[in-house]
Amino acid sequence: NAGVTQTPKFQVLKTGQSMTLQCAQDMNHNSMYWYRQDPGMGLRLIYYSASEGTTDKGEVPNGYNVSRLNKREFSLRLESAAPSQTSVYFCASSTGQGGLSEAFFGQGTRLTVV
Amino acid sequence: KNEVEQSPQNLTAQEGEFITINCSYSVGISALHWLQQHPGGGIVSLFMLSSGKKKHGRLIATINIQEKHSSLHITASHPRDSAVYICAVGADKLIFGTGTRLQVFP
Repeated sequence: NAGVTQTPKFQVLKTGQSMTLQCAQDMNHNSMYWYRQDPGMGLRLIYYSASEGTTDKGEVPNGYNVSRLNKREFSLRLESAAPSQTSVYFCASSTGQGGLSEAFFGQGTRLTVV
Repeated sequence: KNEVEQSPQNLTAQEGEFITINCSYSVGISALHWLQQHPGGGIVSLFMLSSGKKKHGRLIATINIQEKHSSLHITASHPRDSAVYICAVGADKLIFGTGTRLQVFP
């Protein structure tokens, strides 16, 4: 079973460039999440989608947009990348919203903005 | 003060030792999660618990709701247990600790 699949695994961008991180899950989960992980900090929530057709801001949404394309797919877009967005990005999914459901994570995308 | 505090931040052990990682939190929660992040970066869920104790193989997780504290124990540690262990607490959203980096040497 594939679980949660993220692409790409690595990316280098120049400041000002745009890109979309793709995420797909095959577990029929309702909720999907995008997190960023920075050294010395816990995972921080960027955006989440509690169900198909809905998206909500998390703790650090500035500079990002998301699209819940269908139940399987949840993409994260950086319109104009900045060095502060250098991070490791994780997509996750769960059956329900919040802390009461086990979360399944993708393998991560290591993004460097120069 | 962080809402989720883990200790220690770093831990080294010899193979076979008993390991304890602690997590304290200051917010109301529905459940607490323990996650494992491998050196390659992938994150997997180990436990989700809201009371008492859970066991899976050599791993044991406990939680004391009144004291807002959880522990993750690893019995008979092995080098393959080397990873970052992350505590996360949740009500409507998960709040993550910064992780405990464990290295187990042969």
